[in-house]
Amino acid sequence: QVQLKESGPGLVQPSQTLSLTCTVSGFSLTSYNVHWVRQPPGKGLEWMGVIWSGGNTDYNSALKPRLSISRDTSKSQVFLTMNSLQTEDTGIYYCNRIRNWGQGVMVTVSS
Amino acid sequence: DVVLTQTPPTLSATIGQSVSISCRSSQSLLHSNGNTYLNWLLQRPGQPPQLLIYLVSRLESGVPNRFSGSGSGTDFTLKISGVEAEDLGVYYCVQSTHAPYTFGAGTKLELK
Repeated sequence: QVQLKESGPGLVQPSQTLSLTCTVSGFSLTSYNVHWVRQPPGKGLEWMGVIWSGGNTDYNSALKPRLSISRDTSKSQVFLTMNSLQTEDTGIYYCNRIRNWGQGVMVTVSS
Repeated sequence: DVVLTQTPPTLSATIGQSVSISCRSSQSLLHSNGNTYLNWLLQRPGQPPQLLIYLVSRLESGVPNRFSGSGSGTDFTLKISGVEAEDLGVYYCVQSTHAPYTFGAGTKLELK
Protein backbone atom coordinates (compact mmCIF):
# COMPACT_ATOMS: atom_id res chain seq x y z
CA GLN A 1 0.00 0.00 0.00
CA VAL A 2 1.37 3.34 -1.09
CA GLN A 3 1.73 5.86 1.72
CA LEU A 4 3.39 9.24 2.14
CA LYS A 5 3.71 11.02 5.46
CA GLU A 6 5.03 14.51 6.09
CA SER A 7 6.75 15.53 9.28
CA GLY A 8 8.41 18.64 10.59
CA PRO A 9 8.09 21.56 12.98
CA GLY A 10 4.70 23.15 13.24
CA LEU A 11 6.10 26.57 14.06
CA VAL A 12 8.96 28.40 12.43
CA GLN A 13 10.19 31.89 13.20
CA PRO A 14 10.37 34.50 10.45
CA SER A 15 13.64 34.51 8.51
CA GLN A 16 14.42 30.99 9.69
CA THR A 17 14.71 27.78 7.65
CA LEU A 18 11.99 25.18 7.23
CA SER A 19 12.95 21.53 7.06
CA LEU A 20 10.31 18.93 6.24
CA THR A 21 10.57 15.18 5.70
CA CYS A 22 8.33 13.01 3.57
CA THR A 23 8.58 9.33 4.49
CA VAL A 24 7.17 7.01 1.86
CA SER A 25 6.26 3.35 1.78
CA GLY A 26 4.90 0.96 -0.80
CA PHE A 27 7.06 2.25 -3.64
CA SER A 28 10.65 3.09 -4.47
CA LEU A 29 11.88 6.66 -4.81
CA THR A 30 14.06 5.49 -7.69
CA SER A 31 10.95 4.53 -9.65
CA TYR A 32 8.56 7.38 -8.89
CA ASN A 33 8.69 11.15 -8.72
CA VAL A 34 7.73 12.94 -5.51
CA HIS A 35 6.28 16.44 -5.48
CA TRP A 36 5.82 19.07 -2.81
CA VAL A 37 2.68 21.19 -2.90
CA ARG A 38 1.58 23.77 -0.36
CA GLN A 39 -1.70 25.47 0.50
CA PRO A 40 -2.04 28.73 2.45
CA PRO A 41 -5.02 28.80 4.82
CA GLY A 42 -8.25 29.11 2.87
CA LYS A 43 -6.45 29.34 -0.46
CA GLY A 44 -5.55 27.15 -3.43
CA LEU A 45 -2.75 24.73 -4.17
CA GLU A 46 0.74 25.80 -5.17
CA TRP A 47 3.22 23.43 -6.74
CA MET A 48 6.60 23.86 -5.11
CA GLY A 49 8.86 21.36 -6.79
CA VAL A 50 9.66 17.77 -7.61
CA ILE A 51 12.45 15.28 -7.21
CA TRP A 52 12.40 12.99 -10.20
CA SER A 53 12.96 9.27 -9.92
CA GLY A 54 16.44 9.76 -11.36
CA GLY A 55 17.32 12.26 -8.64
CA ASN A 56 17.10 15.53 -10.57
CA THR A 57 14.91 18.33 -9.32
CA ASP A 58 12.68 21.07 -10.69
CA TYR A 59 11.31 24.00 -8.75
CA ASN A 60 8.61 26.64 -8.86
CA SER A 61 10.46 29.58 -10.34
CA ALA A 62 9.19 31.93 -7.62
CA LEU A 63 10.53 29.70 -4.85
CA LYS A 64 13.68 28.43 -6.52
CA PRO A 65 16.08 30.88 -4.84
CA ARG A 66 15.18 29.57 -1.37
CA LEU A 67 14.00 26.02 -1.96
CA SER A 68 15.84 22.72 -2.05
CA ILE A 69 14.49 19.18 -2.41
CA SER A 70 16.63 16.12 -1.79
CA ARG A 71 16.21 12.50 -0.82
CA ASP A 72 17.68 9.50 0.95
CA THR A 73 16.59 6.48 -1.03
CA SER A 74 17.91 4.04 1.59
CA LYS A 75 15.49 5.55 4.12
CA SER A 76 12.68 6.18 1.62
CA GLN A 77 12.65 9.82 2.59
CA VAL A 78 12.35 13.05 0.64
CA PHE A 79 13.41 16.34 2.21
CA LEU A 80 12.25 19.89 1.65
CA THR A 81 14.34 22.80 2.84
CA MET A 82 13.26 26.38 2.39
CA ASN A 83 15.05 29.36 3.86
CA SER A 84 14.13 32.96 4.67
CA LEU A 85 10.61 32.07 5.72
CA GLN A 86 7.97 34.78 5.95
CA THR A 87 4.42 34.80 7.26
CA GLU A 88 3.07 34.18 3.76
CA ASP A 89 4.79 30.79 3.83
CA THR A 90 2.28 29.67 6.44
CA GLY A 91 0.15 26.80 5.23
CA ILE A 92 -0.23 23.07 4.81
CA TYR A 93 2.65 21.34 3.05
CA TYR A 94 1.92 18.14 1.16
CA CYS A 95 4.22 15.60 -0.42
CA ASN A 96 2.60 13.54 -3.11
CA ARG A 97 2.95 11.29 -6.06
CA ILE A 98 0.02 13.01 -7.82
CA ARG A 99 -1.91 9.74 -7.55
CA ASN A 100 -1.23 9.49 -3.79
CA TRP A 101 -0.99 12.29 -1.25
CA GLY A 102 0.16 12.59 2.32
CA GLN A 103 -2.17 14.10 4.91
CA GLY A 104 -0.03 17.24 4.97
CA VAL A 105 1.74 19.09 7.74
CA MET A 106 0.67 22.51 8.95
CA VAL A 107 3.49 25.03 9.14
CA THR A 108 3.00 28.38 10.86
CA VAL A 109 5.54 31.14 10.42
CA SER A 110 5.32 33.41 13.42
CA SER A 111 7.45 34.94 16.12
CA ASP B 1 4.83 29.49 -16.54
CA VAL B 2 1.58 27.94 -17.77
CA VAL B 3 -1.51 29.64 -16.38
CA LEU B 4 -4.63 27.54 -15.90
CA THR B 5 -7.89 29.46 -15.72
CA GLN B 6 -10.77 27.61 -14.09
CA THR B 7 -14.39 28.62 -14.40
CA PRO B 8 -16.65 29.07 -12.63
CA PRO B 9 -14.96 29.79 -9.28
CA THR B 10 -18.07 28.60 -7.47
CA LEU B 11 -20.74 26.16 -8.56
CA SER B 12 -24.04 25.62 -6.78
CA ALA B 13 -25.82 22.38 -7.57
CA THR B 14 -28.64 20.19 -6.34
CA ILE B 15 -28.21 16.48 -5.78
CA GLY B 16 -28.60 14.70 -9.09
CA GLN B 17 -27.80 17.74 -11.20
CA SER B 18 -25.10 17.49 -13.86
CA VAL B 19 -22.39 20.14 -13.81
CA SER B 20 -19.26 21.07 -15.76
CA ILE B 21 -16.05 22.86 -14.86
CA SER B 22 -13.80 24.46 -17.45
CA CYS B 23 -10.02 24.68 -17.36
CA ARG B 24 -8.25 26.75 -19.99
CA SER B 25 -4.49 26.80 -20.40
CA SER B 26 -2.33 29.69 -21.56
CA GLN B 27 -0.50 27.29 -23.85
CA SER B 28 -1.02 23.87 -25.34
CA LEU B 29 -0.64 21.00 -22.91
CA LEU B 30 0.18 18.51 -25.65
CA HIS B 31 3.56 17.03 -24.78
CA SER B 32 6.10 16.17 -27.45
CA ASN B 33 5.53 12.51 -26.57
CA GLY B 34 1.91 12.79 -27.69
CA ASN B 35 0.36 12.76 -24.21
CA THR B 36 -1.57 15.63 -22.65
CA TYR B 37 -0.82 15.83 -18.96
CA LEU B 38 -3.93 17.49 -17.59
CA ASN B 39 -5.34 16.08 -14.35
CA TRP B 40 -8.33 16.85 -12.16
CA LEU B 41 -8.25 16.70 -8.36
CA LEU B 42 -10.94 16.97 -5.71
CA GLN B 43 -10.19 18.36 -2.27
CA ARG B 44 -12.91 17.69 0.26
CA PRO B 45 -12.98 19.93 3.36
CA GLY B 46 -10.13 19.13 5.72
CA GLN B 47 -8.69 16.51 3.41
CA PRO B 48 -5.73 16.34 1.04
CA PRO B 49 -6.54 16.43 -2.66
CA GLN B 50 -7.33 13.20 -4.45
CA LEU B 51 -6.79 12.37 -8.10
CA LEU B 52 -9.99 11.95 -10.11
CA ILE B 53 -8.91 12.15 -13.75
CA TYR B 54 -5.49 11.93 -15.40
CA LEU B 55 -4.32 12.36 -18.98
CA VAL B 56 -7.43 14.49 -19.69
CA SER B 57 -9.99 11.70 -19.63
CA ARG B 58 -8.71 8.62 -17.82
CA LEU B 59 -10.63 7.78 -14.67
CA GLU B 60 -8.48 7.03 -11.64
CA SER B 61 -9.10 3.65 -10.05
CA GLY B 62 -11.95 3.72 -7.56
CA VAL B 63 -13.42 6.99 -8.85
CA PRO B 64 -17.13 6.77 -9.77
CA ASN B 65 -17.88 6.88 -13.47
CA ARG B 66 -20.19 9.87 -13.04
CA PHE B 67 -16.93 11.81 -13.36
CA SER B 68 -15.59 12.35 -16.85
CA GLY B 69 -12.96 14.53 -18.46
CA SER B 70 -12.57 15.81 -21.97
CA GLY B 71 -10.69 18.34 -24.04
CA SER B 72 -7.48 18.88 -25.92
CA GLY B 73 -4.80 21.48 -26.49
CA THR B 74 -5.77 24.37 -24.25
CA ASP B 75 -9.43 23.69 -23.36
CA PHE B 76 -10.52 21.03 -20.90
CA THR B 77 -13.71 20.13 -19.07
CA LEU B 78 -14.62 18.07 -16.05
CA LYS B 79 -18.21 16.85 -15.97
CA ILE B 80 -20.12 15.32 -13.08
CA SER B 81 -23.20 13.50 -14.30
CA GLY B 82 -25.46 13.53 -11.29
CA VAL B 83 -23.88 15.28 -8.32
CA GLU B 84 -23.88 13.37 -5.05
CA ALA B 85 -23.32 14.79 -1.58
CA GLU B 86 -19.83 13.29 -1.37
CA ASP B 87 -18.78 15.31 -4.43
CA LEU B 88 -18.81 18.60 -2.56
CA GLY B 89 -15.47 20.32 -2.22
CA VAL B 90 -12.97 22.17 -4.38
CA TYR B 91 -11.94 20.90 -7.79
CA TYR B 92 -8.55 21.73 -9.25
CA CYS B 93 -7.07 21.16 -12.66
CA VAL B 94 -3.31 20.69 -12.74
CA GLN B 95 -0.94 20.43 -15.67
CA SER B 96 2.24 18.40 -15.68
CA THR B 97 3.22 18.84 -19.31
CA HIS B 98 5.44 21.86 -18.69
CA ALA B 99 7.69 22.46 -15.70
CA PRO B 100 6.94 24.13 -13.40
CA TYR B 101 3.66 22.31 -12.91
CA THR B 102 0.74 24.62 -12.22
CA PHE B 103 -2.72 24.41 -10.70
CA GLY B 104 -5.91 26.18 -11.55
CA ALA B 105 -7.34 28.42 -8.83
CA GLY B 106 -10.05 25.91 -8.01
CA THR B 107 -13.81 25.58 -8.36
CA LYS B 108 -15.85 25.18 -5.21
CA LEU B 109 -18.84 22.89 -5.62
CA GLU B 110 -21.53 23.52 -3.04
CA LEU B 111 -25.13 22.50 -2.47
CA LYS B 112 -27.82 24.83 -3.70
